Amino acid sequence: GAVVSQHPSWVICKSGTSVKIECRSLDFQATTMFWYRQFPKQSLMLMATSNEGSKATYEQGVEKDKFLINHASLTLSTLTVTSAHPEDSSFYICSARGWGFAGLQETQYFGPGTRLLVL
Amino acid sequence: DAKTTQPTSMDCAEGRAANLPCNHSTISGNEYVYWYRQIHSQGPQYIIHGLKNNETNEMASLIITEDRKSSTLILPHATLRDTAVYYCIVRAYTGNQFYFGTGTSLTVIP
Repeated sequence: GAVVSQHPSWVICKSGTSVKIECRSLDFQATTMFWYRQFPKQSLMLMATSNEGSKATYEQGVEKDKFLINHASLTLSTLTVTSAHPEDSSFYICSARGWGFAGLQETQYFGPGTRLLVL
Repeated sequence: DAKTTQPTSMDCAEGRAANLPCNHSTISGNEYVYWYRQIHSQGPQYIIHGLKNNETNEMASLIITEDRKSSTLILPHATLRDTAVYYCIVRAYTGNQFYFGTGTSLTVIP
């Protein structure tokens, strides 16, 4: 149980274009989803927290107009990197917590990550 | 804001127990200790969590000191597939966010 998927697993795009990354909870209802970014040889950095049906809460220093987050259902959240630039190239990881079976609300389960390369 | 301190790296011989320490001296009474690991280029994997009692599951054991200021994750019989970065995180039960520190890079040596 507690499986989180991401799509795509990797994406290459041109500078100036927008990229959408999907995060899905496959076997539970995710009341809260989180988006992280990880640069090479660094730790995960929390970007934003989103509760189903509500606006996302962004961490300090994260541009909400650049990283659009939608959490419209209990199984899907999307992160759109708008007008992507080479410095946005990174490993983007989502996680989720919610309801479905014992212990699920106590922790977070992570997706496999999406590697973004902006040329 | 990471509130834990872990050694940067550790080595462990294959088949031996790997003991990974974590210092969380400012932990509050309602905060749990969580352990995750991240194998290269993958998302973090949940290992175990606990409040004050020692915990064990199929992956590992978690030993929390009586004053709760530190803990140790034990992988009883390390394999090469256990080579990863291990993160220790503290978070309130009712809290939301996980803030990751730098973690410990564990290398299991044949």
